[in-house]
Parts: sequence; C-alpha cells; structure tokens
Amino acid sequence: QVQLQESGPGLVKPSGTLSLTCAVSGGSISSSNWWSWVRQPPGKGLEWIGEIYHSGSTNYNPSLKSRVTISVDKSKNQFSLKLSSVTAADTAVYYCARVTWFGELPLNDAFDIWGQGTMVTVSS
Amino acid sequence: EIVLTQSPATLSLSPGERATLSCRASQSVSSYLAWYQQKPGQAPRLLIYDASNRATGIPARFSGSGSGTDFTLTISSLEPEDFAVYYCQQRSNWPRTWTFGQGTKVEIK
Repeated sequence: QVQLQESGPGLVKPSGTLSLTCAVSGGSISSSNWWSWVRQPPGKGLEWIGEIYHSGSTNYNPSLKSRVTISVDKSKNQFSLKLSSVTAADTAVYYCARVTWFGELPLNDAFDIWGQGTMVTVSS
Repeated sequence: EIVLTQSPATLSLSPGERATLSCRASQSVSSYLAWYQQKPGQAPRLLIYDASNRATGIPARFSGSGSGTDFTLTISSLEPEDFAVYYCQQRSNWPRTWTFGQGTKVEIK
C-alpha cells in the first residue's frame, strides 16, 4: 500500500527557507492523485499549505502563497515543499498527504493517506 | 473563503456514550465534507468523506450526516480508542483550496 515519508531539517533559522521532501512508496506519484502539504503548530489545528499534481499544476493556501513553492520529482517519486522567509509562527509539524477522488462527483475527494509528520522549529 | 466552525470545542463523555460533533460551513458546501480523527502524536486519519461515506476500515460506530451548511459526526458508542480530536474539512472548487475546522476534542469524563 502507498506510504508517505517526510524528511528535511528539523531546525531552520528565522528569515531562512524551510525545505521538506515527501517520498512516496508503494505507488506512483504519477497516479490520478493530488499531493498535499498540511501543517500543525504545537497544540493547534490543521492548516492546509498547498498541493501539486504530477503534471506540475499547483494550488496554494492564499495566506501562504507568496512564500510557498511545491514541486514534484517524478524520477524520484517524491514531492517537495519550500517555505521562504520563515518566522517562529512557521514552527509546526509538517505532514504530507495524498488526495484521493472517490468518484461520482467532482468535489468528492479527501486526504486518505498521510505521512507521519515531521517537526520543524524556526529558531536562531 | 468558506469557514468551517466546529462545536463544541471539547466534549467530555464516558466510554459507551454517544458522541455528537457538529461542523457548520459559512456557505453551502453541498455534501463535500470530510471528517478526520487525530490522536496525540499521530497523523490525522480519514473517517468520513462526502459527508456520510465511511473510509476503508472505519468501524460502523462512526457515521456522518448533513448537507449544505450543517454536518454531524456521530460515534454511536464510544470506545476507549475514540478519545481524540476530530476535524472537519472541505474543498472549494474555485480557486481549489482546502479548509479545516478548528477541531473538537472528545475527552474522557
């Protein structure tokens, strides 16, 4: 079955760029799925960051759009997140997730597979 | 932008009791609503999609209902492993963006 695994530095300096990768195993990133990033600050709720399709099409959270870039590497079966100009407010657990369309209706989709998450702290 | 408001923030119940969680959308989302369960230190898990369809492997004690702006997640009889935080989520089509509710914590009374 498909599994997702996040990786990247656990500590990023303020004003720097957060970079994470999500490796997809047990399936192809070129399947008919979008691939998303979600984050969760300590003790808080979930915030969607953005998503990518294997074609390279992306959608971003408007509140983060100016700082976010999501890319895909089909040769490595992985996708990546870059978040620039980070501050302490970007400290969070970052999850990658697969978006699956359950059919019949165009908006009938949800995040059915998640990575375990990786904690990123922004601090000098 | 559609806002999802979950209530209550915390639900204190005993094992075996029925849990009723609410999610209200600021405008109609038809039936396009999902529910997730998150336990401490774990990633969220998909429970319900399209308002009322259980995801693979989800026990029958979990059920979802509603359409338009008002949705409910019901746990018919709480098991010890059901004490967790629950989030609702919806997708907007244009632009394509996702929104989560702020969560409801179901805690042991």
